[in-house]
Amino acid sequence: EVQLVQSGAEVKKPGESLKISCKGSGYSFSTYWVGWVRQMPGKGLEWMGIIYPDDSDTRYSPSFQGQVTISADKSISTAYLQWSSLKASDTAMYYCARHGSKWLEPDYWGQGTLVTVSS
Amino acid sequence: SYELTQPPSVSVSPGQTARITCSGDALPKKYAYWYQQKSGQAPVLVIYEDSKRPSGIPERFSGSSSGTMATLTISGAQVEDEADYYCYSTDTSDNPRGVFGGGTKLTVL
Repeated sequence: EVQLVQSGAEVKKPGESLKISCKGSGYSFSTYWVGWVRQMPGKGLEWMGIIYPDDSDTRYSPSFQGQVTISADKSISTAYLQWSSLKASDTAMYYCARHGSKWLEPDYWGQGTLVTVSS
Repeated sequence: SYELTQPPSVSVSPGQTARITCSGDALPKKYAYWYQQKSGQAPVLVIYEDSKRPSGIPERFSGSSSGTMATLTISGAQVEDEADYYCYSTDTSDNPRGVFGGGTKLTVL
């Protein structure tokens, strides 16, 4: 059974750094893209970017390029999303999702990680 | 950057057919996917590759695509189908990136 398990909710202050995780199981983690999707409170889904764990090839949405860093450690089947300096506007639910190899569609989703940034 | 456009809301009575559209310039070349998201839950894939239904998704959910528009159809919508629906596709660049439509709130009452 394919599963993606995300790290727990975080409460941070503006300016702090953060790294959240997504651990895949039940499939060959290295050979599927893994991506991140943001959902701000009461808003829609926003595709942030993806990483191919086998070679760390990474693609970002223009809206998120330079704002976050996506990484992966294939030895422990885990992908990461990190911020160097959080802003209040980063408050959102963040989902990781496995992406299909050919058409890059999110097919299996994690449960979500709620990030709250408040002074 | 590439955009997919959906109507903000659709409303039907139980048993009626609900249709949600998604328009995008690249849809003639790229598949559309549809996700259902109920309040407080992660999205669930309900249609893939324009018109295919994953196992476990009721037959009343169907999809089609023609030209620059993809359509999700729920035939005989049920109260439990009330949710937000998002279309998804990719751009046509050499290194494609994904994009979601803005989402459509389906009300069944």
